[in-house]
Amino acid sequence: NAGVMQNPRHLVRRRGQEARLRCSPMKGHSHVYWYRQLPEEGLKFMVYLQKENIIDESGMPKERFSAEFPKEGPSILRIQQVVRGDSAAYFCASSPTSPTMNTEAFFGQGTRLTVV
Amino acid sequence: AQKITQTQPGMFVQEKEAVTLDCTYDTSDPSYGLFWYKQPSSGEMIFLIYQGSYDQQNATEGRYSLNFQKARKSANLVISASQLGDSAMYFCAMREGVANFGNEKLTFGTGTRLTIIP
Repeated sequence: NAGVMQNPRHLVRRRGQEARLRCSPMKGHSHVYWYRQLPEEGLKFMVYLQKENIIDESGMPKERFSAEFPKEGPSILRIQQVVRGDSAAYFCASSPTSPTMNTEAFFGQGTRLTVV
Repeated sequence: AQKITQTQPGMFVQEKEAVTLDCTYDTSDPSYGLFWYKQPSSGEMIFLIYQGSYDQQNATEGRYSLNFQKARKSANLVISASQLGDSAMYFCAMREGVANFGNEKLTFGTGTRLTIIP
């Protein structure tokens, strides 16, 4: 019973390059959340998606960041023209259809992005 | 205002002792859920325990219990008989009003780094 799968686990990009982070939710889960964790901080919500729909992107920076969750395949968080400040751990979580108040969000292992 | 406040950046506890990690929250929504997650040095987020705002009893899961004081808006995590493997970062998180569609996101505190001393 595979959990939430994120890849890559570690990603190094030079300033100005693009970073693509992938997240495959747990089987049967159709809701995906992306969070960012800066060093020594808690997780900050970025975006909430369902298949082919962005439900809440209130935590996404206005520029350079985008997310999608296509009908087929993993959810992708894309960061264009990365800067040093984008260096962080990016976590994906998933939950089943119609989450209720006590629905646990299952987290992936995270992708650690380092911008050099 | 911070929605989740964890005032203890770091704690050191002797092995086998009990430890309480503090968490206070701020919401005007009558319906909310409180979560605790553990993040070991390997980095993954491990769900520990959940407490709903309407739950009458404090939640318990093995050695973990949640001291839920609704009037004080606190949801402290208690770990009994601490073990070396409990050394990790611990995060308190809240989900507000799922009745408002799209509000399923979690808001996290800044965490407490717990170190268990042999």
